[in-house]
Amino acid sequence: GAVVSQHPSWVICKSGTSVKIECRSLDFQATTMFWYRQFPKQSLMLMATSNEGSKATYEQGVEKDKFLINHASLTLSTLTVTSAHPEDSSFYICSVQHPREGQPQHFGDGTRLSIL
Amino acid sequence: GQNIDQPTEMTATEGAIVQINCTYQTSGFNGLFWYQQHAGEAPTFLSYNVLDGLEEKGRFSSFLSRSKGYSYLLLKELQMKDSASYLCAPMDSNYQLIWGAGTKLIIKP
Repeated sequence: GAVVSQHPSWVICKSGTSVKIECRSLDFQATTMFWYRQFPKQSLMLMATSNEGSKATYEQGVEKDKFLINHASLTLSTLTVTSAHPEDSSFYICSVQHPREGQPQHFGDGTRLSIL
Repeated sequence: GQNIDQPTEMTATEGAIVQINCTYQTSGFNGLFWYQQHAGEAPTFLSYNVLDGLEEKGRFSSFLSRSKGYSYLLLKELQMKDSASYLCAPMDSNYQLIWGAGTKLIIKP
């Protein structure tokens, strides 16, 4: 069964809207979750590392005021795209790092965001 | 810097065998993962190597040589559903996965 639950799967909304995406770890407690973005035919791009109980670590070039990350519990991280614009349209995917060494990151099904 | 090198695209025939090569350079090394990603979907885990040698998992096998910074994914008895992108992702000293663009594998009947 699924290890990671990500919702919603699709979002279509108007420019200027804020969109929240949820990522839940179903099988284990995760102190670390990751948020990726992927544009068509391009590689996965790590946006930020979400750490439970502390501030997220953002990759260079990712605006932390635009992409708000909250990791309030060991099973839930949220990404909010604030005041979204058409250039934010992309495939957003979360992943959960298994706490045991040598175990893979498990990915959610992704959220396809389209800003009109 | 950190770098992944994989062929952009490969084509193979249903029922055949294909080997997807990956060379990498990372700051430290904590193993290498292979993921499969179908178009429009999230990646799914295929295999993990941390020691040199071959790991076999059904139709899929993965090989690692740490001294050469080299890995390959071997797919046997190819099926049409194997058409996907295959991502080689080494883990660096910070336990962060390094992602390349992947190899798009096209299976023809």
